[in-house]
Parts: sequence; C-alpha cells; structure tokens
Amino acid sequence: GENVEQHPSTLSVQEGDSAVIKCTYSDSASNYFPWYKQELGKRPQLIIDIRSNVGEKKDQRIAVTLNKTAKHFSLHITETQPEDSAVYFCAASSTGNQFYFGTGTSLTVIP
Amino acid sequence: GAVVSQHPSWVICKSGTSVKIECRSLDFQATTMFWYRQFPKQSLMLMATSNEGSKATYEQGVEKDKFLINHASLTLSTLTVTSAHPEDSSFYICSADAGTVEETQYFGPGTRLLVL
Repeated sequence: GENVEQHPSTLSVQEGDSAVIKCTYSDSASNYFPWYKQELGKRPQLIIDIRSNVGEKKDQRIAVTLNKTAKHFSLHITETQPEDSAVYFCAASSTGNQFYFGTGTSLTVIP
Repeated sequence: GAVVSQHPSWVICKSGTSVKIECRSLDFQATTMFWYRQFPKQSLMLMATSNEGSKATYEQGVEKDKFLINHASLTLSTLTVTSAHPEDSSFYICSADAGTVEETQYFGPGTRLLVL
C-alpha cells in the first residue's frame, strides 16, 4: 500500500517568515495530493490540493509543489501569521481510493 | 455545502460495553465514507472504507469484528466499537467523499471516546 512520510514533525517560525513542509509518497499510482490543517480537537480542514498533472498550485499565501518523478510534494506558507499555527497533514490518494496521511507537522508561528 | 456531522461528539463508557458512532453527510450523498482513528499528537490512521450497500473494507490490522461498520444509506454510516476496552480510547473521525471531480473528502468533527 501507499506510504506517506512527512517532515518536519515540528516547525517554529517567526511571524512573517515562510514555512515549508515536505512529504514523500511511495505509490506511483497516487495522483491526488491534498493538504489539511487541523486545530486542536477539531476536524481536518482542506486548505489546498494538487493533482499529478500539475506541478504547482497557489492560493494566496499558500502554495503546493509536486515532483512526480521524485515522488515528493511540499506545502509553502508565506507571510505566516499566528493563526496559521496548527497541525498540517499531507495525504496521497489514487483516483477513487482512500487517502493515506502523513504523520503531521505541528507549526507554531511566533508573534 | 458539504457538511459532515458525527454523533456523539464525545462519550465515556465502561469497559466491556459497546459504543455506536454515527456519521452523516448533511447536504450531499456519500457513496463512500471513511473511518479514521487519531491518537493524541499523531496522524489520522485509516481504519476502514465504507461503501453504501456493501461490506466495509478494513485496513490491515483492524479487527472487523470489533469495529463494526454499517453504511445503510447514502447519508449515514455507523461505527460500533464492540466490547470496548481502555486501549480503544481515541478520537474517531469519519469523512465522506462527495463524489465530485475534485475527490475531496469532507471530515466530520470527530468523536472522542474514553473507555474506563
């Protein structure tokens, strides 16, 4: 089955700086890669996603890049704000199948 | 749109009892629902995939006789933790596939189970 690895497990940045979270996957059949933000005790919320036919996608301060050859994808948050503090999960999925999640990154933005 | 609810939001039970958790898609029909388990400060671990009108598909290592899943309609899936024990205490989250091109899964708010 699919194996998704995520790094780092914890990340602290100063407000206004950028944050980068990286994930790798093992199954070359995976073609959909969502990123979720989860605040303590709450449900994961989709923040951005990318498909295998696209190399990069951006939505305001958030961007995701995908390297299919190397089987890795990354989340980039620019101009970080305290409210960006949360746990972020990457996931990988092949069409119509279940999601496999990374281990999560706890992001702390220091005011 | 795409709201998923779970009930109950939290439950405390005695060891040996069974607990049923409901997952509902409120404004869309979900052919497929997923059940996850999350321990504190850990990732979401997929337990099973629930398809309406058919048997659930369990991930390796998940006991199907202990975690009974029923997907009776396109808007409701239930997870029953049978003969719960303290090690079953966890945060259980369901998600529903809206069946759109985007393939996005929408998550329920989760159910926190504490078995004494």
